[in-house]
Order: sequence, then C-alpha cells, then structure tokens
Amino acid sequence: ETGVTQSPTHLIKTRGQQVTLRCSSQSGHNTVSWYQQALGQGPQFIFQYYREEENGRGNFPPRFSGLQFPNYSSELNVNALELDDSALYLCASSLETGRAETQYFGPGTRLLVL
Amino acid sequence: SQQGEEDPQALSIQEGENATMNCSYKTSINNLQWYRQNSGRGLVHLILIRSNEREKHSGRLRVTLDTSKKSSSLLITASRAADTASYFCATAPKGYNKLIFGAGTRLAVHP
Repeated sequence: ETGVTQSPTHLIKTRGQQVTLRCSSQSGHNTVSWYQQALGQGPQFIFQYYREEENGRGNFPPRFSGLQFPNYSSELNVNALELDDSALYLCASSLETGRAETQYFGPGTRLLVL
Repeated sequence: SQQGEEDPQALSIQEGENATMNCSYKTSINNLQWYRQNSGRGLVHLILIRSNEREKHSGRLRVTLDTSKKSSSLLITASRAADTASYFCATAPKGYNKLIFGAGTRLAVHP
C-alpha cells in the first residue's frame, strides 16, 4: 500500500456531464501528478500540481483542470465529458525535486462515459 | 504519444523461468523507472535507474540501462505465478518533471 487514496473507485457518467475525481497524497509528499490510462495502454501524463500551482501539463485540452489544496490533496475536474474520456485515472504523489523521481500511485478511479 | 516502447507486448512463461522485458525511448533522460500493475489497478514502483548508472539489482529484479542505445531491460529471475502482471517502463526526460510511460508488457507466469 502506498498511502495514496483516490475516490470514487468507479464512476459512470454520460457524455457532456462534468466529473470531479479526488486524491489524497502520501504523508510528507508535496506534489501530485494525474495520469489517464486507456484500456490496454500505458498511463499518459495529464498535469502535475506542486504547492497548489500547476507545475507541468501534458497534451490534454483545457476541459481537464485541477486543484491542489494546502494539505496537498488534489482534484481532477473534467468538463464536457466525451466517450474517449472513459479510462482509469491515476494520481501519484511524490516529493518535488525538479526531476521526476519515484511516484507513488493510488488505486485509480475507473470512469465510464456513456 | 508515448516515448517508451516495451518489447515484447506479451510474454508467457512457466514458474521458475526468467522473464526479460525491454524498453526503448527517444530523448535524453534523468532516470528510467519500472512499474508493475495488477489487473488494471494502481502502479507499484519496482526500481529506478539513473542516467549515469548501467545496472541495478533489487531482489529478483535486475535492470540495465544503455543510454547510447536509449534502451533498458528488466530481468525477473526465478519467476513465480504471483509475478503475473503488466510491467511498464517510464522515462523522466531531462528538463521535465513528468514520467512518460510505454504501453507495457503483459507477463503471464504459469504454475
């Protein structure tokens, strides 16, 4: 167990709706990264938050947004859901060093968009 | 797009055999990491090798890194049925604070 928790574990939404996913980071970690993993693929980097600021972003549209709170927990928000947003969403916590070091992953939230 | 490419995509072996997975990447890196994932759940970090290292061991795992060929390999010795999982390599590109994952190798170890 990594100490990283995510909620909910599963979620079903319809196209056009909005969704919020939550992540609690491991104690002592100040950085949270979010990844999208489509079925049969590797995780793709969405963005990273460090001390409540976005600290890097992957190739995802602006309808993917996030927040980090003073306790370093984080939210991922996705607006105007599309069918292709169906995936496993993973958050990972780490200590920010300016380079990507070991990341500790939560169990993920599986999102299905109908 | 994903930087890392794992080879093979799938591997099926018997318990006790060794399993070797390979990873190739495209850009300069700070480090390369291997992760394991069971049944589409969270990833578990296995090992990290830095760009100035050539080989690293952890229990039954051996990782090599060849930066001139931009490739890495993960060897699992004396495999067990419990090693059945997907294995991903992830690179930490220089100048970036993110990990780039490959598509993974699905390993099946049969009793």
